[in-house]
Amino acid sequence: DAKTTQPTSMDCAEGRAANLPCNHSTISGNEYVYWYRQIHSQGPQYIIHGLKNNETNEMASLIITEDRKSSTLILPHATLRDTAVYYCIVRGADSSYKLIFGSGTRLLVRP
Amino acid sequence: DSGVTQTPKHLITATGQRVTLRCSPRSGDLSVYWYQQSLDQGLQFLIQYYNGEERAKGNILERFSAQQFPDLHSELNLSSLELGDSALYFCASKSHGTDTQYFGPGTRLTVL
Repeated sequence: DAKTTQPTSMDCAEGRAANLPCNHSTISGNEYVYWYRQIHSQGPQYIIHGLKNNETNEMASLIITEDRKSSTLILPHATLRDTAVYYCIVRGADSSYKLIFGSGTRLLVRP
Repeated sequence: DSGVTQTPKHLITATGQRVTLRCSPRSGDLSVYWYQQSLDQGLQFLIQYYNGEERAKGNILERFSAQQFPDLHSELNLSSLELGDSALYFCASKSHGTDTQYFGPGTRLTVL
């Protein structure tokens, strides 16, 4: 599975958009980009995933560059409850669907 | 609430002991995954079961073993415990044909 690089920490103001970048320059054609988050020590929570098209759901938007070497997770209106560690994961199309977590980005949403 | 349950929530034991962690997946989910989260190693995939069969193995120590039972619940057995085994252990489940893993609340293991 391709390696990902994320900033160690970021912060944003409550109510503003939070844009979390992820670099995955070694991604191959059949690998998906997944985002999960972990609030404090709770179990990780799925946010969104995509292959090459931009994706949006009720939680967030995922923007993947045309060359697929990087992506950005957008939380359009961050709230204090969005303070968490956000993991960008590149997963191959093997049958196990196992997740290989990196260090993630610690997002702090300021009041 | 993800629908995945794990017991116990907390476990404190001594070095050299053996413990069993239990996971009940979401109703109908055939796949169960186990992950370990320690301060120095982060979140690491341990092992996956699908409908009772081992499907994938990660960085799981030989002292650790797991199984999935006919009712689809899974158990992770940790033996000859060492101080370094202190960690959060998460189980996740996934339904066939989907991509999303749903994680349980975890079991916090402390080895003294």
